[in-house]
Amino acid sequence: DTEVTQTPKHLVMGMTNKKSLKCEQHMGHRAMYWYKQKAKKPPELMFVYSYEKLSINESVPSRFSPECPNSSLLNLHLHALQPEDSALYLCASSPLAGGTNEQYFGPGTRLTVT
Amino acid sequence: QKEVEQNSGPLSVPEGAIASLNCTYSDRGSQSFFWYRQYSGKSPELIMSIYSNGDKEDGRFTAQLNKASQYVSLLIRDSQPSDSATYLCAVTNTGGFKTIFGAGTRLFVKA
Repeated sequence: DTEVTQTPKHLVMGMTNKKSLKCEQHMGHRAMYWYKQKAKKPPELMFVYSYEKLSINESVPSRFSPECPNSSLLNLHLHALQPEDSALYLCASSPLAGGTNEQYFGPGTRLTVT
Repeated sequence: QKEVEQNSGPLSVPEGAIASLNCTYSDRGSQSFFWYRQYSGKSPELIMSIYSNGDKEDGRFTAQLNKASQYVSLLIRDSQPSDSATYLCAVTNTGGFKTIFGAGTRLFVKA
């Protein structure tokens, strides 16, 4: 299985809602990532987990809260988002073996904040 | 100065030609270099990784790395219309986790 899965594919939420994005991989990868991508822009790193510990938080607002329950799962909890947070949210994983950092992306969750 | 720079394009080449995509980076300590392809509305797909100076070939794709010049390139031989996409150059920093993407080069291959 060489796939990273993300649910839901699409999400529309109001500014007062709480929702969660989910990501799963079964490749035995030990690093997982959240990226945000706006239209016609490159992915921007938000969070990195390695060995289930938060390694990087790129000064992301606290209305985004990541969670890594185990080595296969990564969640992104959303609360009190703003319309400018509307974007494609991408999850990725990488093996961390052999010093490589090849990242494999899931299909993304397209988020619209109304 | 942007950390990873690419020409935004669009780069237009005829079918069967060689497409040449270029990327420069600012962090001299960068360790890992990647090319991703992203079709419109889809997520990035890894097509090449390169870690040491020189060339690396995989099918129709060749990645070239010159750390002294802080330059990475991707050559696509025998370009096909299905190669039309945005190509993202990505560079991982010395620590190994933070990956920075260039803005991407849009490639159009004309049939």
